[in-house]
Amino acid sequence: GAVVSQHPSWVICKSGTSVKIECRSLDFQATTMFWYRQFPKQSLMLMATSNEGSKATYEQGVEKDKFLINHASLTLSTLTVTSAHPEDSSFYICSARDLVGGQRRGYTFGSGTRLTVV
Amino acid sequence: GQSLEQPSEVTAVEGAIVQINCTYQTSGFYGLSWYQQHDGGAPTFLSYNALDGLEETGRFSSFLSRSDSYGYLLLQELQMKDSASYFCAVRDQRDTGRRALTFGSGTRLQVQP
Repeated sequence: GAVVSQHPSWVICKSGTSVKIECRSLDFQATTMFWYRQFPKQSLMLMATSNEGSKATYEQGVEKDKFLINHASLTLSTLTVTSAHPEDSSFYICSARDLVGGQRRGYTFGSGTRLTVV
Repeated sequence: GQSLEQPSEVTAVEGAIVQINCTYQTSGFYGLSWYQQHDGGAPTFLSYNALDGLEETGRFSSFLSRSDSYGYLLLQELQMKDSASYFCAVRDQRDTGRRALTFGSGTRLQVQP
């Protein structure tokens, strides 16, 4: 089935530094990937939609200069949290869908990245 | 915009049946999905309903009533491993693979021995 690989699984960084999170579709091409953020015991909130070869679309309230998204190929999207602060500590998850599989296969999610900013 | 409502918590015992309800409001409607998420893990797809009625997949079933903007996930023969959070989700645009899901607040299911 469709697999999305996300790295790193967890990262601890100092306040003010940047962190890059990678998301790869392993056995299908993903022209679109989605980035979500999830705080403890809360739902997944869409941050941005990453489109291969074009600019990402950010949800209202998400700073595009802080959360840089690059979708340079059909299988790779990256999210860079720039100048991270403790309030950016969260669980970041990417998602994509294998269109060949149809809607019955649903969306596939990466394993998530637990970011802790100290 | 879209909004989905689910109960925040449900507790049940092993072997029991539990139903998790979801009501939604969307500007358009292209199906209701259900996802399971264990603590610290990624959401995994459980089921999808585009039309009214019941869809069964093993111990899990999902129901949709479009006229009532309502659906539910039914879990039978509960097992301890079913303890997780369950999210309903909708997409309000025609599926092109370029539309993200909007998730409900999630229902935390705790299965007790």
